[in-house]
Amino acid sequence: SAVISQKPSRDICQRGTSLTIQCQVDSQVTMMFWYRQQPGQSLTLIATANQGSEATYESGFVIDKFPISRPNLTFSTLTVSNMSPEDSSIYLCSVEGEVRLETQYFGPGTRLLVL
Amino acid sequence: KQEVTQIPAALSVPEGENLVLNCSFTDSAIYNLQWFRQDPGKGLTSLLLIQSSQREQTSGRLNASLDKSSGRSTLYIAASQPGDSATYLCAPGANNLFFGTGTRLTVIP
Repeated sequence: SAVISQKPSRDICQRGTSLTIQCQVDSQVTMMFWYRQQPGQSLTLIATANQGSEATYESGFVIDKFPISRPNLTFSTLTVSNMSPEDSSIYLCSVEGEVRLETQYFGPGTRLLVL
Repeated sequence: KQEVTQIPAALSVPEGENLVLNCSFTDSAIYNLQWFRQDPGKGLTSLLLIQSSQREQTSGRLNASLDKSSGRSTLYIAASQPGDSATYLCAPGANNLFFGTGTRLTVIP
Protein backbone atom coordinates (compact mmCIF):
# COMPACT_ATOMS: atom_id res chain seq x y z
CA SER A 1 0.00 0.00 0.00
CA ALA A 2 0.96 3.65 -0.27
CA VAL A 3 0.59 6.45 2.25
CA ILE A 4 -0.27 9.79 0.71
CA SER A 5 -0.29 13.20 2.32
CA GLN A 6 -1.63 16.47 0.95
CA LYS A 7 -1.02 20.07 1.87
CA PRO A 8 -2.91 22.17 2.68
CA SER A 9 -5.73 20.12 4.12
CA ARG A 10 -8.10 23.02 3.59
CA ASP A 11 -8.00 26.65 2.54
CA ILE A 12 -10.24 29.62 1.97
CA CYS A 13 -9.17 31.77 -0.96
CA GLN A 14 -10.25 34.95 -2.66
CA ARG A 15 -11.56 35.06 -6.19
CA GLY A 16 -8.82 35.62 -8.78
CA THR A 17 -5.98 34.15 -6.73
CA SER A 18 -4.18 30.83 -7.22
CA LEU A 19 -3.53 27.95 -4.85
CA THR A 20 -0.93 25.19 -5.18
CA ILE A 21 -1.74 21.83 -3.61
CA GLN A 22 1.06 19.43 -2.77
CA CYS A 23 0.88 15.64 -2.83
CA GLN A 24 3.59 13.50 -1.23
CA VAL A 25 3.79 9.69 -1.45
CA ASP A 26 5.86 7.47 0.83
CA SER A 27 7.11 5.34 -2.08
CA GLN A 28 8.12 5.82 -5.68
CA VAL A 29 5.21 5.59 -8.08
CA THR A 30 4.97 5.95 -11.83
CA MET A 31 1.54 7.47 -12.20
CA MET A 32 -0.18 10.01 -10.02
CA PHE A 33 -3.72 11.24 -10.52
CA TRP A 34 -5.53 14.41 -9.57
CA TYR A 35 -9.29 14.38 -8.97
CA ARG A 36 -11.88 16.99 -8.17
CA GLN A 37 -15.00 16.40 -6.11
CA GLN A 38 -17.46 19.26 -6.32
CA PRO A 39 -20.08 19.63 -3.58
CA GLY A 40 -22.61 16.81 -3.78
CA GLN A 41 -20.87 15.28 -6.77
CA SER A 42 -18.63 12.31 -7.30
CA LEU A 43 -14.97 12.36 -8.21
CA THR A 44 -13.88 13.54 -11.63
CA LEU A 45 -10.40 12.93 -12.97
CA ILE A 46 -8.57 16.15 -13.80
CA ALA A 47 -5.29 14.79 -15.12
CA THR A 48 -2.71 12.05 -14.96
CA ALA A 49 0.83 13.04 -14.04
CA ASN A 50 3.84 10.95 -15.04
CA GLN A 51 7.31 11.87 -13.91
CA GLY A 52 9.38 13.45 -16.66
CA SER A 53 6.53 14.19 -19.04
CA GLU A 54 3.65 16.60 -19.46
CA ALA A 55 0.48 15.79 -17.60
CA THR A 56 -2.42 14.36 -19.57
CA TYR A 57 -5.64 16.29 -19.04
CA GLU A 58 -9.18 14.96 -19.26
CA SER A 59 -11.85 16.62 -21.33
CA GLY A 60 -12.97 19.86 -19.74
CA PHE A 61 -9.69 20.54 -17.94
CA VAL A 62 -6.81 22.60 -19.34
CA ILE A 63 -3.22 23.19 -18.33
CA ASP A 64 -3.62 26.95 -18.02
CA LYS A 65 -6.26 26.51 -15.35
CA PHE A 66 -4.75 23.47 -13.59
CA PRO A 67 -0.98 23.38 -14.14
CA ILE A 68 0.64 20.28 -12.70
CA SER A 69 4.23 19.56 -11.76
CA ARG A 70 5.78 16.13 -11.25
CA PRO A 71 9.45 16.73 -10.39
CA ASN A 72 10.15 13.23 -9.04
CA LEU A 73 8.56 9.85 -8.36
CA THR A 74 7.18 10.76 -4.92
CA PHE A 75 5.81 14.27 -5.34
CA SER A 76 3.37 16.29 -7.43
CA THR A 77 1.63 19.64 -7.26
CA LEU A 78 -1.65 20.87 -8.69
CA THR A 79 -2.29 24.59 -9.02
CA VAL A 80 -5.79 25.96 -9.26
CA SER A 81 -5.34 29.24 -11.12
CA ASN A 82 -7.43 32.40 -11.23
CA MET A 83 -9.96 30.87 -8.90
CA SER A 84 -13.69 31.47 -8.92
CA PRO A 85 -16.38 30.21 -6.51
CA GLU A 86 -17.05 27.35 -8.98
CA ASP A 87 -13.62 25.95 -8.11
CA SER A 88 -14.75 25.27 -4.55
CA SER A 89 -14.23 21.53 -4.27
CA ILE A 90 -12.23 18.80 -2.65
CA TYR A 91 -9.09 18.04 -4.62
CA LEU A 92 -7.59 14.59 -4.19
CA CYS A 93 -4.44 12.98 -5.46
CA SER A 94 -4.08 9.27 -5.89
CA VAL A 95 -1.57 6.67 -7.03
CA GLU A 96 -1.79 3.17 -8.40
CA GLY A 97 -0.46 0.19 -6.54
CA GLU A 98 2.78 -1.45 -7.55
CA VAL A 99 1.02 -3.54 -10.15
CA ARG A 100 -0.55 -1.72 -13.08
CA LEU A 101 -4.31 -1.33 -12.73
CA GLU A 102 -4.16 -2.45 -9.14
CA THR A 103 -5.95 -0.73 -6.30
CA GLN A 104 -5.65 3.04 -6.27
CA TYR A 105 -4.69 4.77 -3.06
CA PHE A 106 -6.00 8.22 -2.26
CA GLY A 107 -4.74 11.12 -0.23
CA PRO A 108 -6.96 12.77 2.39
CA GLY A 109 -7.89 15.59 0.02
CA THR A 110 -7.65 19.37 0.07
CA ARG A 111 -10.90 21.16 0.81
CA LEU A 112 -10.97 24.47 -1.06
CA LEU A 113 -13.49 27.27 -0.60
CA VAL A 114 -13.32 30.24 -2.95
CA LEU A 115 -15.12 33.40 -1.89
CA LYS B 1 -17.83 7.89 -21.75
CA GLN B 2 -18.42 5.60 -18.81
CA GLU B 3 -21.44 6.53 -16.69
CA VAL B 4 -21.85 5.06 -13.24
CA THR B 5 -25.11 5.02 -11.28
CA GLN B 6 -25.47 4.02 -7.67
CA ILE B 7 -28.74 3.14 -6.02
CA PRO B 8 -29.94 4.07 -3.48
CA ALA B 9 -28.43 7.53 -3.07
CA ALA B 10 -28.95 7.29 0.68
CA LEU B 11 -29.78 4.47 3.05
CA SER B 12 -30.50 4.38 6.76
CA VAL B 13 -30.66 1.04 8.59
CA PRO B 14 -30.66 -0.15 12.20
CA GLU B 15 -27.52 -1.76 13.51
CA GLY B 16 -27.23 -5.46 12.73
CA GLU B 17 -29.07 -5.43 9.44
CA ASN B 18 -27.64 -6.88 6.26
CA LEU B 19 -27.75 -4.55 3.29
CA VAL B 20 -26.98 -4.34 -0.41
CA LEU B 21 -25.65 -1.38 -2.36
CA ASN B 22 -26.09 -1.36 -6.13
CA CYS B 23 -23.89 -0.02 -8.88
CA SER B 24 -24.49 -0.02 -12.63
CA PHE B 25 -22.18 1.15 -15.39
CA THR B 26 -22.64 1.68 -19.11
CA ASP B 27 -19.34 0.50 -20.60
CA SER B 28 -18.50 -3.13 -19.86
CA ALA B 29 -14.95 -2.82 -21.26
CA ILE B 30 -13.35 -2.56 -17.84
CA TYR B 31 -10.26 -4.11 -16.26
CA ASN B 32 -11.59 -4.12 -12.74
CA LEU B 33 -14.07 -2.53 -10.39
CA GLN B 34 -13.34 -1.09 -6.99
CA TRP B 35 -15.53 -0.21 -4.07
CA PHE B 36 -14.36 2.67 -1.90
CA ARG B 37 -15.47 4.16 1.34
CA GLN B 38 -15.38 7.92 1.91
CA ASP B 39 -15.69 9.40 5.36
CA PRO B 40 -16.52 13.11 5.84
CA GLY B 41 -13.40 15.25 5.66
CA LYS B 42 -11.23 12.30 4.69
CA GLY B 43 -10.02 10.69 1.51
CA LEU B 44 -11.08 7.41 0.01
CA THR B 45 -10.34 3.99 1.40
CA SER B 46 -10.31 1.05 -0.97
CA LEU B 47 -12.55 -1.75 0.30
CA LEU B 48 -12.53 -4.35 -2.44
CA LEU B 49 -11.07 -4.77 -5.90
CA ILE B 50 -12.65 -7.21 -8.34
CA GLN B 51 -10.74 -8.06 -11.49
CA SER B 52 -12.82 -8.25 -14.67
CA SER B 53 -12.31 -12.02 -14.80
CA GLN B 54 -13.69 -12.49 -11.29
CA ARG B 55 -17.27 -12.73 -10.13
CA GLU B 56 -16.87 -11.70 -6.52
CA GLN B 57 -14.51 -10.74 -3.73
CA THR B 58 -14.91 -10.98 0.01
CA SER B 59 -13.27 -9.13 2.87
CA GLY B 60 -14.62 -9.70 6.34
CA ARG B 61 -18.25 -8.63 6.43
CA LEU B 62 -18.08 -7.24 2.90
CA ASN B 63 -18.82 -9.12 -0.29
CA ALA B 64 -18.75 -7.53 -3.72
CA SER B 65 -20.03 -9.15 -6.89
CA LEU B 66 -19.45 -8.21 -10.50
CA ASP B 67 -21.52 -9.02 -13.56
CA LYS B 68 -19.44 -7.36 -16.23
CA SER B 69 -21.65 -8.29 -19.16
CA SER B 70 -24.71 -6.64 -17.64
CA GLY B 71 -22.74 -3.73 -16.21
CA ARG B 72 -23.64 -4.34 -12.58
CA SER B 73 -21.95 -4.72 -9.24
CA THR B 74 -23.29 -5.08 -5.73
CA LEU B 75 -21.71 -4.55 -2.34
CA TYR B 76 -23.17 -6.66 0.42
CA ILE B 77 -22.54 -5.61 4.01
CA ALA B 78 -23.38 -8.17 6.67
CA ALA B 79 -24.35 -7.36 10.25
CA SER B 80 -23.98 -3.62 9.80
CA GLN B 81 -22.38 -1.51 12.52
CA PRO B 82 -22.48 2.23 13.29
CA GLY B 83 -18.85 2.41 12.19
CA ASP B 84 -19.95 1.43 8.70
CA SER B 85 -21.65 4.81 8.32
CA ALA B 86 -19.98 6.51 5.34
CA THR B 87 -20.43 7.14 1.64
CA TYR B 88 -19.70 4.12 -0.53
CA LEU B 89 -18.39 4.71 -4.03
CA CYS B 90 -18.28 2.30 -6.92
CA ALA B 91 -15.53 2.81 -9.53
CA PRO B 92 -15.21 0.67 -12.66
CA GLY B 93 -11.73 1.00 -14.09
CA ALA B 94 -10.23 0.85 -17.54
CA ASN B 95 -7.34 3.23 -18.12
CA ASN B 96 -8.94 5.51 -15.56
CA LEU B 97 -11.40 5.14 -12.74
CA PHE B 98 -14.91 6.47 -13.19
CA PHE B 99 -16.84 7.12 -10.01
CA GLY B 100 -20.51 6.95 -9.18
CA THR B 101 -22.10 9.58 -6.96
CA GLY B 102 -22.17 7.14 -4.10
CA THR B 103 -24.57 5.76 -1.53
CA ARG B 104 -24.61 7.54 1.81
CA LEU B 105 -25.10 4.89 4.47
CA THR B 106 -26.18 5.62 8.03
CA VAL B 107 -26.27 2.76 10.52
CA ILE B 108 -28.35 3.64 13.55
CA PRO B 109 -27.24 2.22 16.91
